[in-house]
Amino acid sequence: QKEVEQDPGPLSVPEGAIVSLNCTYSNSAFQYFMWYRQYSRKGPELLMYTYSSGNKEDGRFTAQVDKSSKYISLFIRDSQPSDSATYLCAMSAAKGGAQKLVFGQGTRLTINP
Amino acid sequence: DAGITQSPRYKITETGRQVTLMCHQTWSHSYMFWYRQDLGHGLRLIYYSAAADITDKGEVPDGYVVSRSKTENFPLTLESATRSQTSVYFCASRRQGDETQYFGPGTRLLVL
Repeated sequence: QKEVEQDPGPLSVPEGAIVSLNCTYSNSAFQYFMWYRQYSRKGPELLMYTYSSGNKEDGRFTAQVDKSSKYISLFIRDSQPSDSATYLCAMSAAKGGAQKLVFGQGTRLTINP
Repeated sequence: DAGITQSPRYKITETGRQVTLMCHQTWSHSYMFWYRQDLGHGLRLIYYSAAADITDKGEVPDGYVVSRSKTENFPLTLESATRSQTSVYFCASRRQGDETQYFGPGTRLLVL
């Protein structure tokens, strides 16, 4: 079983919809949780970063972490065609040092105009 | 500001050949990483480096060799390429104290 599980999709929604992307994990040592966005044929870029349980909001994006359930989510409000990309969750047990990340498979999202 | 670059962007090679993928960053970041991205597996860490002359294995290091003689360069060598090493390879770097890893544009490698 993989340490981090993410539904690969693809997920297709109309413009303006609320999108929910999720990951589950098995390693209780993970404390740092990230969401990366990857456009087609590009490298991933950091979208959201959270520490431990709780919510973090940045514009139309909200990241949620529930450590008791080992479950993290990314919500996108008022989705736009420019949000069409692959979204990867990533996790780390330590902030300092090498920060070795464990990634989910990525969910491919398409926002239809 | 060039950031982080990878070369070549595309490479076709044959089984058994040695291949070197280059990674260069202009930020003087301490940490550098090599990942491979495959369908169904996401990104997996191959090797990482904490500083010049300091490297360590990641999740899938077999068949790969790295070196880091200068802070800005982190080449990845496939000593004898196999078909299973067909993948997209990403280099990343991170400044000490920063949570963000910055990724290069990737190298698409096909091993025939």
